[in-house]
Amino acid sequence: KAGVTQTPRYLIKTRGQQVTLSCSPISGHRSVSWYQQTPGQGLQFLFEYFSETQRNKGNFPGRFSGRQFSNSRSEMNVSTLELGDSALYLCASSLVGTGLDTQYFGPGTRLTVL
Amino acid sequence: AQKVTQAQTEISVVEKEDVTLDCVYETRDTTYYLFWYKQPPSGELVFLIRRNSFDEQNEISGRYSWNFQKSTSSFNFTITASQVVDSAVYFCALSEGTRFNAGNMLTFGGGTRLMVKP
Repeated sequence: KAGVTQTPRYLIKTRGQQVTLSCSPISGHRSVSWYQQTPGQGLQFLFEYFSETQRNKGNFPGRFSGRQFSNSRSEMNVSTLELGDSALYLCASSLVGTGLDTQYFGPGTRLTVL
Repeated sequence: AQKVTQAQTEISVVEKEDVTLDCVYETRDTTYYLFWYKQPPSGELVFLIRRNSFDEQNEISGRYSWNFQKSTSSFNFTITASQVVDSAVYFCALSEGTRFNAGNMLTFGGGTRLMVKP
């Protein structure tokens, strides 16, 4: 079974631009979560989607948004990029997204904001 | 609020030494799940183990073993006879929300960078 895939793997943008990252979950998984990883803040939860609905959201500004499609694929968007948005963005999928589900992670998208 | 603490930021050992990575957690839930993930230099988080709050049985899997103690809110991870390939950052994580529609959210510790030297 194929794992979680994320595209693109690397991205360089400039301040003020916007960016869209994509995540394809493991086949059969309906929950997709996004995390941001930075050296200073570590791994932080962004949001989680299940059946095209956002169920949970972390403590991030409204510039960070996401969506999920009917095939469970998910995208996250960051508008008006800031230097501090430079990070590794990790996507994880799980079967139905309860606390007992194991989340399986993709390779991440490394975003650099200049 | 839930919290996970990994006090050891970096550990360096020589190959074949045993090493224990510490994890302490805080939660108000009575039902919760604990995880360990490994992050090699490639960046992908690799799932290692999951434990639930009502199963304190320790587990051994090859060179890996885990010690879960609710009394001290700890979930420690030991690598026996470490190898260079074990070099990575290891994360302990906590998940609450066992109700179906509550979703899941992992709270991670800060990670422990393990360097195994030949």
